[in-house]
Amino acid sequence: EAGVTQSPTHLIKTRGQQATLRCSPISGHTSVYWYQQALGLGLQFLLWYDEGEERNRGNFPPRFSGRQFPNYSSELNVNALELEDSALYLCASSVGAFSNQPQHFGDGTRLSIL
Amino acid sequence: KNEVEQSPQNLTAQEGEFITINCSYSVGISALHWLQQHPGGGIVSLFMLSSGKKKHGRLIATINIQEKHSSLHITASHPRDSAVYICAVPPDGGSQGNLIFGKGTKLSVKP
Repeated sequence: EAGVTQSPTHLIKTRGQQATLRCSPISGHTSVYWYQQALGLGLQFLLWYDEGEERNRGNFPPRFSGRQFPNYSSELNVNALELEDSALYLCASSVGAFSNQPQHFGDGTRLSIL
Repeated sequence: KNEVEQSPQNLTAQEGEFITINCSYSVGISALHWLQQHPGGGIVSLFMLSSGKKKHGRLIATINIQEKHSSLHITASHPRDSAVYICAVPPDGGSQGNLIFGKGTKLSVKP
C-alpha cells in the first residue's frame, strides 16, 4: 500500500510569490490534514479536508488556503509569501472524519522563502 | 500553559538503556497519539491509545486518563531509535479534525 505522498520535496520562493503544495492520501482515506512545522517550533494545525469540503482551519491568515479534489488528493496554497512562512509542511490522511483515528503522515514539503 | 506538555525536552542515552518520555495534557480527549519524527522530517505514527497500554516491539505506550498523563517507553534502546518523539491529542473529542501537539522530546542514543 502506497503511503501519503507529497510534492515537491523542496520549494524555494521569494517574498510575495505564491506556493502550491500537493498531497495524495493513502487509498481509501477521505480526510486530509495539513500541518506547519516552522524551525524551532512545534507542529501547528493548518487545515482539515474531508469529502471535498474544508471542515476546520487553524489559526492562520486567509492567504493560507487549499482544496480537496474528487480523488481526495489535496492542494495547499500560500499567497503573498512572507519570510516566516519558511517551514516544513506536512500532510496526513486518515480513514475517518475524526482525529481520534490514526493519521498517516507524508514526508513533507520544505518551503524556503528568500 | 500549553495544553500538551512533554518531558524531557532532550534526552541522551547509551545503547541498551530503558527510556521513558512523558506527556501531560489539560484537555479532555478521546485518544492520544505518539509520533516519531526522524531528522529528515518524515513522521511515523507509533501508537494511538485511549486507555491502558499498547506494545509494539520494543516500544510501550501507557495512558492514565484520570491523571491526564501518558508515557512512552523504549526498552533496550538502539541508535536507530534516535529521533524526536511527539505526543498529540485531538481536542473536542476529535470532532474538529485537528491535533494539538507537544513540543517533542529529542532522543539521542549513543552506541
